[in-house]
Amino acid sequence: GEDVEQSLFLSVREGDSSVINCTYTDSSSTYLYWYKQEPGAGLQLLTYIFSNMDMKQDQRLTVLLNKKDKHLSLRIADTQTGDSAIYFCAGPYNTDKLIFGTGTRLQVFP
Amino acid sequence: DAGVIQSPRHEVTEMGQEVTLRCKPISGHNSLFWYRQTMMRGLELLIYFNNNVPIDDSGMPEDRFSAKMPNASFSTLKIQPSEPRDSAVYFCASSVRGGKNTIYFGEGSWLTVV
Repeated sequence: GEDVEQSLFLSVREGDSSVINCTYTDSSSTYLYWYKQEPGAGLQLLTYIFSNMDMKQDQRLTVLLNKKDKHLSLRIADTQTGDSAIYFCAGPYNTDKLIFGTGTRLQVFP
Repeated sequence: DAGVIQSPRHEVTEMGQEVTLRCKPISGHNSLFWYRQTMMRGLELLIYFNNNVPIDDSGMPEDRFSAKMPNASFSTLKIQPSEPRDSAVYFCASSVRGGKNTIYFGEGSWLTVV
C-alpha cells in the first residue's frame, strides 16, 4: 500500500532555513501537499506541487520534488518562532484520499 | 466562507458510554473523510465518503466504530461502547473529488475516555 515517511523532529534557530523531508511510494500521485498543524488546531494546507513540476516557490516556502527518488522537501526561509508546528506531507492514493506522513515537529528556538 | 465544522470540540466521557461526533463539510464538497490522530499512531484515515456513500472503511478500528452520512451536509462518527484507548483527536475533512483533491480539515474533536 501507499506509504509516506518523514523524520519526526527538526530543531532550528530563528532566522535559519528549515528543510523538512518526505519520501513516498505511490508514483501515480498527481499532486503532493504540505500541511501545517499548530498546537490544538486542525491541519491547514500550506502549499502543493503538481507532479510534473520540480520546484514551486511561495514567499518563504520552497517545495522541491524529485520524482525519480520519490522525495519531496519543504524549505522554510528565515524561520520564525511562529513556524513552530507539525508539518505533514501527503499524497493522493486511488485519486480519492490523501495519505499523510507521520509529521515532522519543527521547533524554532531564539 | 465557513470551513469544516465539527462538534463537540472537546468531550470527556466514561468508558462504556456512547460517543457521537458530528461534522458539517464545506458546502459543495462531495468527499468527506474521518481521521484520527494519536501520538502513537499519527494521523489515520478511518473512513471516507463520496457523494454520501461510504467508499473505504478499512481504517475503522473495530465494530464499535460506525460512521454515517445521511446527506451532503452532515456526517457522524459513533463509538459504542467507548474505551480509554479511543482517546484521540478526531478530524473531519472534506474536498471536491478529483482535480487537486485538496482536503480541508475541521478543528477536530478532542475525545478523552476515562
